[in-house]
Amino acid sequence: EIVLTQSPATLSLSPGERATLSCRASQSVSSYLAWYQQKPGQAPRLLIYDASNRATGIPARFSGSGSGTDFTLTISSLEPEDFAVYYCQQRSNWPRFTFGPGTKVDIK
Amino acid sequence: QVQLVQSGAEVKKPGASVKLSCKASGYTFTTYYMHWVRQAPGQGLEWMGIINPSGGGTSYAQKFQGRVTMTRDTSTSTVYMELSSLRSEDTAVYYCARALDASYLDYWGQGTLVTVSS
Repeated sequence: EIVLTQSPATLSLSPGERATLSCRASQSVSSYLAWYQQKPGQAPRLLIYDASNRATGIPARFSGSGSGTDFTLTISSLEPEDFAVYYCQQRSNWPRFTFGPGTKVDIK
Repeated sequence: QVQLVQSGAEVKKPGASVKLSCKASGYTFTTYYMHWVRQAPGQGLEWMGIINPSGGGTSYAQKFQGRVTMTRDTSTSTVYMELSSLRSEDTAVYYCARALDASYLDYWGQGTLVTVSS
């Protein structure tokens, strides 16, 4: 099974700051990685798929990069609504999928 | 618009089974695979399995093999997930989610809370 690790576990930032979240895979997943945002009491929302493609309706301040085992989600300037938990997910060994443990972005 | 509407909350005793439903609308049901994902209270997301609504083929996470069954009814555009031999650790919110490119989860249901308690 491909294991995903995310760092940091918690990121404390202020609105307007840049957020950089990391996801690392236990083996190469090529570019088959997605990022999701989840707010309390809500279902997750797809932000990025295939490492760098923004999903429909996702603002340009969200960007993804990386390939192989190391990936990054960047939020260029945090808006108040961006404080949430972020998960990465791989689909490299289809039809088996795994999620990372999540990174919480909270208000400093 | 794409909608996934899940069945209501369930309370079950240890050892029982639960069968959840997820009704899709706003797109061609048989064109997109469907995932099931769960989230225990205060925990992360856990992938459970995927079903192809077209042919009914399934793939389950190793952890749930033998305990989970995913089915579909194309006449009502509904997928089902049955989990048996429930234990307290199965207490969670269960989500269905449509699979973009048979992989990524682009539309999600509202979630169904399953509580397992004696």
